[in-house]
Amino acid sequence: KAGVTQTPRYLIKTRGQQVTLSCSPISGHRSVSWYQQTPGQGLQFLFEYFSETQRNKGNFPGRFSGRQFSNSRSEMNVSTLELGDSALYLCASSLEGATYGYTFGSGTRLTVV
Amino acid sequence: AQRVTQPEKLLSVFKGAPVELKCNYSYSGSPELFWYVQYSRQRLQLLLRHISRESIKGFTADLNKGETSFHLKKPFAQEEDSAMYYCALSGSGFQKLVFGTGTRLLVSP
Repeated sequence: KAGVTQTPRYLIKTRGQQVTLSCSPISGHRSVSWYQQTPGQGLQFLFEYFSETQRNKGNFPGRFSGRQFSNSRSEMNVSTLELGDSALYLCASSLEGATYGYTFGSGTRLTVV
Repeated sequence: AQRVTQPEKLLSVFKGAPVELKCNYSYSGSPELFWYVQYSRQRLQLLLRHISRESIKGFTADLNKGETSFHLKKPFAQEEDSAMYYCALSGSGFQKLVFGTGTRLLVSP
């Protein structure tokens, strides 16, 4: 079966712009999570959605937001981009949540210049 | 708050040697522990979960609640085990993974 698909793979944006990243989970998976990966901070949790509802949110500013659609596909949006937002953004899906183990996508590499 | 500590950034061993990747956690509730692995140029993938009590690719990990540890072990390392290993914690009531900083395992011939 198809894995977790993230688009685009690479993105270059200018400070102050906004960006939307997309994630298609494995078919049948209802939980989608987003993580930010940087060399300095490692893997940090952004938010988790289950059946279109946000169940958990990490310690990120309000510029970071997300949503999940009825087909479980998810998007995350970052507004007013800052240089420090440059990172690899990973999406992961699971049947019900973290307990079942997550399947990760390849990520979207965001560079803010 | 939940926290995962992986004290070693890099662990270098020779092929055939035993391997132990350390992981300690801090969580007052009932923990769920995982090991994730990332091979070169591949995506992050689940290696094993404590709840499954399974052995994957020769790796095992036992949850020790007294010592709050979940160390990953393999009796005989192989070159193809070279990768980045992340210990992660979840728990009842929070549907997220808290990751450690990762340990790079390098297995030399």
